[in-house]
Amino acid sequence: AQSVTQLDSHVSVSEGTPVLLRCNYSSSYSPSLFWYVQHPNKGLQLLLKYTSAATLVKGINGFEAEFKKSETSFHLTKPSAHMSDAAEYFCVVNSMDSNYQLIWGAGTKLIIKP
Amino acid sequence: EAGVAQSPRYKIIEKRQSVAFWCNPISGHATLYWYQQILGQGPKLLIQFQNNGVVDDSQLPKDRFSAERLKGVDSTLKIQPAKLEDSAVYLCASRPPWRQLTGELFFGEGSRLTVL
Repeated sequence: AQSVTQLDSHVSVSEGTPVLLRCNYSSSYSPSLFWYVQHPNKGLQLLLKYTSAATLVKGINGFEAEFKKSETSFHLTKPSAHMSDAAEYFCVVNSMDSNYQLIWGAGTKLIIKP
Repeated sequence: EAGVAQSPRYKIIEKRQSVAFWCNPISGHATLYWYQQILGQGPKLLIQFQNNGVVDDSQLPKDRFSAERLKGVDSTLKIQPAKLEDSAVYLCASRPPWRQLTGELFFGEGSRLTVL
């Protein structure tokens, strides 16, 4: 069965420093993986997706993620954090069952220090 | 293109009262989802519709929760009677047929329920 684990519930970085949000997955298929972002009191928005094309995926707002099959990881990175990046980030895997249900991680809250 | 619309944005009720949430998905999106998001947790799927038929409601507490999607467009989620543990944000999402394999969903801003 598919599952996803976000390794940190909170990550705190200073503005202008790199961001790393970690995600590991378990899947019996070649997975489709996603990162969603949720700003305070806002709906969830797709940040980027991996669907078996290039392993390095670029998303919105300067974020990118690398699919590493050998490590079963899909970590989210950004070279330089901005105050507006403060939000909750969810790693998601497509279960690929008959209904294509999404399996959600518990989320990582990104805190940006001035 | 207009996004997924939800209302009300906020609702405060006392336990044992009832509440209803409404969702209008993006035009042409056949698949509609209701998720429950408790503070500090990821979204939990309550029910999935394909047009006006239920695809998956295995995690819907059917003794108190109900949902419908008449005419395959708008949807309503009802809770009756509410319990304290129902305090959460209720998210509606939709997906067009051509995004089925990618899993990309389009979310509304959610309806925040507080049960006192």
